[in-house]
Parts: sequence; structure tokens; C-alpha cells
Amino acid sequence: GAGVSQSPSNKVTEKGKDVELRCDPISGHTALYWYRQSLGQGLEFLIYFQGNSAPDKSGLPSDRFSAERTGGSVSTLTIQRTQQEDSAVYLCASSLEGTGSTDTQYFGPGTRLTVL
Amino acid sequence: AQKVTQAQTEISVVEKEDVTLDCVYETRDTTYYLFWYKQPPSGELVFLIRRNSFDEQNEISGRYSWNFQKSTSSFNFTITASQVVDSAVYFCALSDANFGNEKLTFGTGTRLTIIP
Repeated sequence: GAGVSQSPSNKVTEKGKDVELRCDPISGHTALYWYRQSLGQGLEFLIYFQGNSAPDKSGLPSDRFSAERTGGSVSTLTIQRTQQEDSAVYLCASSLEGTGSTDTQYFGPGTRLTVL
Repeated sequence: AQKVTQAQTEISVVEKEDVTLDCVYETRDTTYYLFWYKQPPSGELVFLIRRNSFDEQNEISGRYSWNFQKSTSSFNFTITASQVVDSAVYFCALSDANFGNEKLTFGTGTRLTIIP
């Protein structure tokens, strides 16, 4: 079946502009994660959604970052007033989260964000 | 706090040689999960294996094998008879088994180059 999809695949923006990144999880997966991959920081967790529960935002680096998940499916990560240090690949992952054990996270292809 | 260390930043081997990628982890949890992901040049993280902390049996899948040793907190990955298609960055990751945010803590990755 279809995997996790993300759009756009590439985004170039100017410093100070807002950007929105989209993630479509695997159908039936209730858990959704956002990670960021950058040269300096490696792969780091940003935010976690599970069903209708309040999201875990503990990994968001600043209040310029926010995310929402509508209808328990599609998620949007928004970065306001982008800075050059926001340049990175933003990865989305989803997992089944129904068996009571740690489910495998499956990743999308990522969105490469470049802030000029 | 959880931590994953992949001390080998880059490895190059000649095709058909065997190669082992090291992974050492730290966690205070008694129940946890370990993962390996492959990131080929295309950029997408590809799931390879998941192991829980109660299962120390080694696993073999084709040319891939994994050695999990709780005594040394290691979860090493061996590729036998390497092929050019194995060239990629490999990430080891750790997740605790809480029934909540099961975010992955990643190592910094090992870039493997298979020389034809």
C-alpha cells in the first residue's frame, strides 16, 4: 500500500517568511511524528500526535514552530518567520500505535527546506 | 536520558567484504526497543529491523544480521558479502516502550561506502 507522503519535496524561502509542510501518514496509522535532520544536529524529534490526544510538543525548538493534525490523518508543520538555522530536511513518520507495544515508525521522503 | 552512539562516522569496504556497524546505547528503562534504518542517497529512511529488550537472540535476514548484547548495551549490524547497493547511511535508534510518545532517539549515523 501507499507509504507516508510529504509535500513539497523541496522548499526554498526567504528569511522571515512562513512555511507550511504537509504529511500524509499511512492509512490506518494513528500515531504521527515529525523529525528534523540537519548537519549540525542529526536526526531530532520535534512533535508527536496520537489519535485525539494532546500532542507532545517537547521537541519543538522554538515557539515559531507549530503543528496540527486534522481529522486524525494529515498533519501540517508550520514554521513562522523562518531563520537560516531552520534549513534542514523535515521528516514525517507514522506508526500503527494499536498493539500496545512500540510500533515501527515508517518514514516519508522528507521535505528539504532551504532558508536564504 | 537516552543516548545512541555510532562511533564509526564513515566506513569504506571493497565489494563482497563483510562489514560490521557498531551501535551502543544508554537508557534507564528496562523495556525498550532498538531499530536500524537505512538512508540511501535518495534520502528516505528505510526500516530494517526492530528488537525489544527482552529478546537477545541474534537475527539474520539474508545478508544482514544483528547482534544484540544487553551486557554491553550494543546492537551491532553486520552485512555479509557487501554489495554496491548497500552504500548508504545507517542509523541505529532507541525507543522506550511507554504507551505514549515512543519517539526515536537516533545515533549520528554511519556512512557506508561499498567500493566496486
